[in-house]
Amino acid sequence: QSALTQPASVSGSPGQSITISCTGTSSDVGGYYYVSWYQQHPGQAPKLIIFDIIKRPSGVSSRFSGSKSDNTASLTISGLQAEDEADYYCCSYAGSWWVFGGGTKLTVL
Amino acid sequence: EVQLVQSGAEVRQPGESLKISCKVSDYSFGDLWIGWVRQMPGKGLEWMGIIYPGDSDTRYSPSFQGRVTISADRSISTAYLQWNSLKASDTAIYYCARRPDNPVPAIYFDLWGRGTLVTVSS
Repeated sequence: QSALTQPASVSGSPGQSITISCTGTSSDVGGYYYVSWYQQHPGQAPKLIIFDIIKRPSGVSSRFSGSKSDNTASLTISGLQAEDEADYYCCSYAGSWWVFGGGTKLTVL
Repeated sequence: EVQLVQSGAEVRQPGESLKISCKVSDYSFGDLWIGWVRQMPGKGLEWMGIIYPGDSDTRYSPSFQGRVTISADRSISTAYLQWNSLKASDTAIYYCARRPDNPVPAIYFDLWGRGTLVTVSS
């Protein structure tokens, strides 16, 4: 199966908002309400920040939000902060397995 | 505190076998699935497969089917990822991650191990 498509990089200034897209197919993103997003800082393990498209785990800032339209899911980070600089990965259920996006490097200018 | 404790870094030669582990502490081993994720050097995350230790139900990504084996030992709350014949291209960090199964199966991975670096080189 092919990886989901994410932009390689995005950037924004502190306080701004950015959106990262994640495009799949009707067999994964479009077919299920099960998209999750993970944040990974250099040298660290991934951390769950959004699940079931729009839900946030306890302890994750409300500045992180998710959405989905057809075969594309999106992660929005509002009020950018320096500590948001990291790699972000979307992940979708695909019936019997999961598939990740290629990852997006967020730079906070 | 719930933790996924992964085994230490490994160095092997091409053609050798390897089994790495992921021990679950302070959580019922029967109330979760354990997934495995590969991250090659400087690259993104790749989902490999998952096991439900309760009945050993195992699913693999088509990309990894037949190349690795996922197993679990309920008596010691440990999941495993193994190779019979390593290649240089298996060099990567391998993460285990928890998919909660109580009260209902989650469709995400909410807790991750720190990763095991596997280096395959002659």
